[in-house]
Amino acid sequence: NAGVTQTPKFQVLKTGQSMTLQCAQDMNHNSMYWYRQDPGMGLRLIYYSASEGTTDKGEVPNGYNVSRLNKREFSLRLESAAPSQTSVYFCASSEGGAHPPREPQHFGDGTRLSIL
Amino acid sequence: RKEVEQDPGPFNVPEGATVAFNCTYSNSASQSFFWYRQDCRKEPKLLMSVYSSGNEDGRFTAQLNRASQYISLLIRDSKLSDSATYLCVVNRMDSSYKLIFGSGTRLLVRP
Repeated sequence: NAGVTQTPKFQVLKTGQSMTLQCAQDMNHNSMYWYRQDPGMGLRLIYYSASEGTTDKGEVPNGYNVSRLNKREFSLRLESAAPSQTSVYFCASSEGGAHPPREPQHFGDGTRLSIL
Repeated sequence: RKEVEQDPGPFNVPEGATVAFNCTYSNSASQSFFWYRQDCRKEPKLLMSVYSSGNEDGRFTAQLNRASQYISLLIRDSKLSDSATYLCVVNRMDSSYKLIFGSGTRLLVRP
């Protein structure tokens, strides 16, 4: 019963390097999300995908791109990593389709990313 | 003003105590409310949804006060395992799919 799976769990990058964080869910959810969490702050939405084939910006999209590869997978890419992007990144999914959202989001166990 | 505000704590209570957290939200049109629990260096996990009439799940009781725009979480008979950060979550009405997370209230339950 995997739920939401994120890879990698830890990563250290140098400034300017690029990388892609992977996320997959096996709950047949329509909506998927990427958040970052910094000390003393709540989770902040980077990008989300309400359904397969759509993506939208969240609160803090600058420096990131996303791809909703199929219904299961939603990746987050850092094109040119900066120290300000050092954070813990969480992927989440929810059934979606409700307005307003009444169902909760289910989270992966996070990617801890350090940029030197 | 933050959209969702919580007292960061920590709340330090003995085992068996009753403890309550409040969370205020700024958007009066918000309709979905949740409490999540987050253990240190772990992912947030849903604790309970908050319904207009209030709801209870074992030792946990959630209340919603729309007039004053706050939600509360009451934990009775605290256990050591309740030590965690509790996140208040509210939907944002400019989108069907965005939830706003509070920064969390830290609870420490001591023996």
